[in-house]
Amino acid sequence: QVQLVESGGGLVKPGGSLRLSCAASGFTFSDYYMSWIRQAPGKGLEWVSYISSSGSSIHYADSVKGRFTISRDNAKNSLYLQMNSLRAEDTAVYYCARDYSTSSPRYFDYWGQGTLVTVSS
Amino acid sequence: QSALTQPASVSGSPGQSITISCTGTSSDVGGYNYVSWYQQYSGKAPKLMIYDVSNRPSGVSNRFSGSKSGNTASLTISGLQAEDEADYFCSSYTSSSTRVFGGGTKLTVL
Repeated sequence: QVQLVESGGGLVKPGGSLRLSCAASGFTFSDYYMSWIRQAPGKGLEWVSYISSSGSSIHYADSVKGRFTISRDNAKNSLYLQMNSLRAEDTAVYYCARDYSTSSPRYFDYWGQGTLVTVSS
Repeated sequence: QSALTQPASVSGSPGQSITISCTGTSSDVGGYNYVSWYQQYSGKAPKLMIYDVSNRPSGVSNRFSGSKSGNTASLTISGLQAEDEADYFCSSYTSSSTRVFGGGTKLTVL
């Protein structure tokens, strides 16, 4: 069965960096787009970034553009999110999600359990 | 990248039907049939309930249905059950090749 397991969350000071990982199993990882989606405490979902199956197409939300970098290693069935210049408003649970796509990404059909990132001094 | 607009809360009694709206623009909801809906219980990961406006994934109850008219998509839950009490989020692909979510709707089963 499809499994997505995030790791790498934790407490970091403003201006600091963190790298999240998502280990995928139960499907052919290299066939699928993948996304990162976050949820601040008590708030709604916010799409952060997606990457195409080959890694050739990448898009970011304006709120993280220039600070976050999404990447993937298809040989390791893994998705990553490098987060730099972190701010208090980046505090959230970060989910990785499989992103079903054809000509364009359409919907998130499987989600991980999330990893909490807290940005605080 | 403005969030799609959903009502903050809706409520209904067991057995009734409720509808949650999701309003965007011609650059997202109105421009693509790539609207999806997610159910989220407190402290849990979201679950896909509807994709491509009106399609149900395998295993999702047929009490859940979706539709779209212009820039507004809707999720309808019929025969409301206590287990349906959760938060619901809509999402759409956008003309900027990004994705956008609605602010979420808390469903209360009275």
